[in-house]
Amino acid sequence: ETGVTQTPRHLVMGMTNKKSLKCEQHLGHNAMYWYKQSAKKPLELMFVYNFKEQTENNSVPSRFSPECPNSSHLFLHLHTLQPEDSALYLCASSQGTDEKLFFGSGTQLSVL
Amino acid sequence: AQSVTQPDIHITVSEGASLELRCNYSYGATPYLFWYVQSPGQGLQLLLKYFSGDTLVQGIKGFEAEFKRSQSSFNLRKPSVHWSDAAEYFCAVGEKGRRALTFGSGTRLQVQP
Repeated sequence: ETGVTQTPRHLVMGMTNKKSLKCEQHLGHNAMYWYKQSAKKPLELMFVYNFKEQTENNSVPSRFSPECPNSSHLFLHLHTLQPEDSALYLCASSQGTDEKLFFGSGTQLSVL
Repeated sequence: AQSVTQPDIHITVSEGASLELRCNYSYGATPYLFWYVQSPGQGLQLLLKYFSGDTLVQGIKGFEAEFKRSQSSFNLRKPSVHWSDAAEYFCAVGEKGRRALTFGSGTRLQVQP
């Protein structure tokens, strides 16, 4: 148990579907992140939230829509995705200024 | 902009042998440096980090890393590898005041019996 829980663990969706990924952290952290991990590529930062406010959007397409209702919860709403969006989506959280990230186990997304 | 290079995509070592995984970074100021490990189907777990001070950093599971400013490197080492160390290892760099890390492409470690 890392303190960061992601659901679902696996998701298969068609290109016309709408789905949401959920992340919850039980560590009392004030920052939360979405990262994308594709095969053979470095982890790509997608979004950063600090005290519920989005502080970074790394040029992510609008078909990915994040939501952070409070410091403990983070969502990634998905709609009209493309097959190349298939990847492992990792949520992370951190506290303070030491930038140490705590990761969830990820959601393995397949877009058909 | 900061960047991280892990030159070795895949490394195989025998159990009990020593290990060194390479990491080079590009960043103008003094970076924050990290090593993470990822087991199959899991998220990333922090092994160790360097912010300042002693350039030899001790981490969990018997790992250590050395920050060498002159070489822009932060190589990860372990004196004797165990079969359970087989995983993917990621080097990452951060900067003060920015809540995000830049990761390398990772090095997959295979351990032979």
